[in-house]
Order: sequence, then C-alpha cells, then structure tokens
Amino acid sequence: SAVISQKPSRDICQRGTSLTIQCQVDSQVTMMFWYRQQPGQSLTLIATANQGSEATYESGFVIDKFPISRPNLTFSTLTVSNMSPEDSSIYLCSVGGSSGTGTETQYFGPGTRLLVL
Amino acid sequence: GQNIDQPTEMTATEGAIVQINCTYQTSGFNGLFWYQQHAGEAPTFLSYNVLDGLEEKGRFSSFLSRSKGYSYLLLKELQMKDSASYLCAVKNSGTYKYIFGTGTRLKVLA
Repeated sequence: SAVISQKPSRDICQRGTSLTIQCQVDSQVTMMFWYRQQPGQSLTLIATANQGSEATYESGFVIDKFPISRPNLTFSTLTVSNMSPEDSSIYLCSVGGSSGTGTETQYFGPGTRLLVL
Repeated sequence: GQNIDQPTEMTATEGAIVQINCTYQTSGFNGLFWYQQHAGEAPTFLSYNVLDGLEEKGRFSSFLSRSKGYSYLLLKELQMKDSASYLCAVKNSGTYKYIFGTGTRLKVLA
C-alpha cells in the first residue's frame, strides 16, 4: 500500500482567490489522480497527473480552473483557481497500488476540505 | 452511459448482518471494488471482485454477478465501528479509471 499525505487538511477561502493543494506519496508512482467529493455525492475524477507531461483532464474540468503540477514521481499539486462557493468540496489525491489480493486498487490521501465563502 | 446505483442510507443493529447492494452500467468492466469511508476520512480499500461469485474476507464478503451488473457487500457481526459510508466502484476495462457510486451511509445502532 501507499502512504499519501495532503496539505492543507482544510481551508476556508474567499471567493475569487486560489488555493494550491499538495500531495506527497511515500513511493514513486507513474500516475497520480485528483478527485473531488462534493457533499453527499460520489468521487469525481478531475484529472490524471503524469510526471513529465501535461495532466489529462476529465470532461467538465479544465486546466485554467484546475492547473496541476507533477514535478517528480512522488509529488503533485492541484490549484483551485478563482474560487466560487460551488468549489466547496473535499479534494482527494490518489495513486494506484497493490491491494495484496493480486490486483491493483486506488489508495487515497486524507483529503483537503475546502470551504469557499 | 455509465451509472452506479447504491442505496443512500441503511441502518442495522450491532451484531446483525447487513447487505449493501450495488448495480452498475458501464461501457467496460475490469473489476468491482468496495471502499469504506469514515466521516472526515479518506476511502480505504475493502474488497475486489472481477469474476462472478463470492469473495470472503473475515467479517466482510463481496459478491459479483457480471451478467446482472450487480454486486453486494455483506457485513456480518456488525460493530459500532462499522458505521461509515460504503462506496462501490467499477474499474473500466482498457483504462485506469474508476467510476464511483454515491456511497451508502450505514448506521450501526447499539
């Protein structure tokens, strides 16, 4: 399994500002994933961050709003830009890893709880 | 389209057995996963099914029927600490992507 840390764990931000969330993994991984979990909703994949190339964004998410960096194989950042109250959510970083049962599963960081006023 | 359905909430009594159902429709299938998520925490991996049948893991078991697009998670000898959300997720074949259900909030009562 992978051990993942995220910073900050929570933040309260003003409308129009930006917040950068950091994700650190204890081992080198090819792909890192950023998810959003809005209250009472499922996890939604925002983008996949690959080291050495541009992030791949899912439908409904754009680079200008959610720029991502992946400077090395253990670290990534997600920025939530020009925030509005609709961006209030939990943002989760995840990586793939062995489940111990012969398959790969996703391991998640503790999440960043964002409230935009 | 892609869709995963789970009940929103369930309540059960300590020591009892509860079954959480999940139905799915996806464009490709490469395994079904169950995760547990306690309030304010990250989801953690519970179980994985890719072939039809039952996978048992201690107090937790998971079942899959690919022809019916159906899975369930069975929790036995419920404990108070089992109060959490349980997320069903399908991995798409040919990609690395997971589609998550909205989760089932389970309350275990004394």
